[in-house]
Amino acid sequence: DGGITQSPKYLFRKEGQNVTLSCEQNLNHDAMYWYRQDPGQGLRLIYYSQIVNDFQKGDIAEGYSVSREKKESFPLTVTSAQKNPTAFYLCASSTVRADTQYFGPGTRLTVL
Amino acid sequence: EDQVTQSPEALRLQEGESSSLNCSYTVSGLRGLFWYRQDPGKGPEFLFTLYSAGEEKEKERLKATLTKKESFLHITAPKPEDSATYLCAVYLDGGATNKLIFGTGTLLAVQP
Repeated sequence: DGGITQSPKYLFRKEGQNVTLSCEQNLNHDAMYWYRQDPGQGLRLIYYSQIVNDFQKGDIAEGYSVSREKKESFPLTVTSAQKNPTAFYLCASSTVRADTQYFGPGTRLTVL
Repeated sequence: EDQVTQSPEALRLQEGESSSLNCSYTVSGLRGLFWYRQDPGKGPEFLFTLYSAGEEKEKERLKATLTKKESFLHITAPKPEDSATYLCAVYLDGGATNKLIFGTGTLLAVQP
């Protein structure tokens, strides 16, 4: 059963901590993306990767980091430099040529 | 500036009461327009992709249409299970990334 998984579903972070959100896909997609969703705002692109070992910053990359060591995996680290990290984080994937992005179930991050 | 605006922000319908959601865009070079459905606390679920003015797509009670300036999501005889937030996103031509620009969504509530 192909799809995108994200873990954990809920994550709590203390001030000054780095946390890593997991995203795995078995759709054989080359491109993967991380978005942030806040109430009253559209989804905003954090980082994207079109190929293994390569990734680019999106519109709001400050305070975040990613890696793409495997085609199936695109973890996102929320660092202590991110001033307002409480949000719903969504991972997506697509083939490089096709436009349609498919989303995972999301991770809700709350800063305590 | 590239922009996507959805209206209304919220819509309450009685079961069986048909209506339309609007997505207007001001972008330089539209390559595609996407509709997603999002249930509370979950990731967006892909519904439709439209590429050119005059194109229409249908799925059950939903029909999406596209003009040069806007898209409509028509909901015919809605049921309570159609209640969700509907997101519109545009995919721009000429960019270095598969970047989607999202609207803020329309929250639809269908009452029995």
